[in-house]
Amino acid sequence: GQNIDQPTEMTATEGAIVQINCTYQTSGFNGLFWYQQHAGEAPTFLSYNVLDGLEEKGRFSSFLSRSKGYSYLLLKELQMKDSASYLCAFVNDYKLSFGAGTTVTVRA
Amino acid sequence: EAGVAQSPRYKIIEKRQSVAFWCNPISGHATLYWYQQILGQGPKLLIQFQNNGVVDDSQLPKDRFSAERLKGVDSTLKIQPAKLEDSAVYLCASSSPAGTGVRRATQYFGPGTRLLVL
Repeated sequence: GQNIDQPTEMTATEGAIVQINCTYQTSGFNGLFWYQQHAGEAPTFLSYNVLDGLEEKGRFSSFLSRSKGYSYLLLKELQMKDSASYLCAFVNDYKLSFGAGTTVTVRA
Repeated sequence: EAGVAQSPRYKIIEKRQSVAFWCNPISGHATLYWYQQILGQGPKLLIQFQNNGVVDDSQLPKDRFSAERLKGVDSTLKIQPAKLEDSAVYLCASSSPAGTGVRRATQYFGPGTRLLVL
């Protein structure tokens, strides 16, 4: 079957670093997405990993290990506007399966 | 480039009533998806269209939900009759089948329709 897990909530201080872990199980795998979703808004694309390793994009980085079924999203130099839900989703045959999301709260 | 448009943004109905949602995808995107997102959960795929054909509707509760995309552009999702457990945000997304990798796989989401069934 297919399964995807990520922590429900995380809290961090402005300027700090937070790492959101995601583990998944699937029979078919084409890649892994991270989306950001502010309350009441649509998910927006953050990153896509298809090969093992770290992809860096400004303050956000995403890591993938296909053999371990594991990914993480690293948010650096946290800002108040980073308070949102972060959704992990794997791709199988161009269909996305989402985790429940991790709500990150950034405190001043 | 205009994003995915959805309407209405909010809808409150009583159980057993009917409701319809509309989606206009990004211009040129042949693939269109409807998701249901219940509070505290990730989006769950209800139906996927490629042009005006259904690719996957395995998770669509067909006894009460229906969707169409007659001309391969706009789409409507209908619930008839609604139940309390249908209270959720209904997200529409689109993607382009052109290209490979991230360009093909990335889905772009609309703002969603927030449905409350009383």
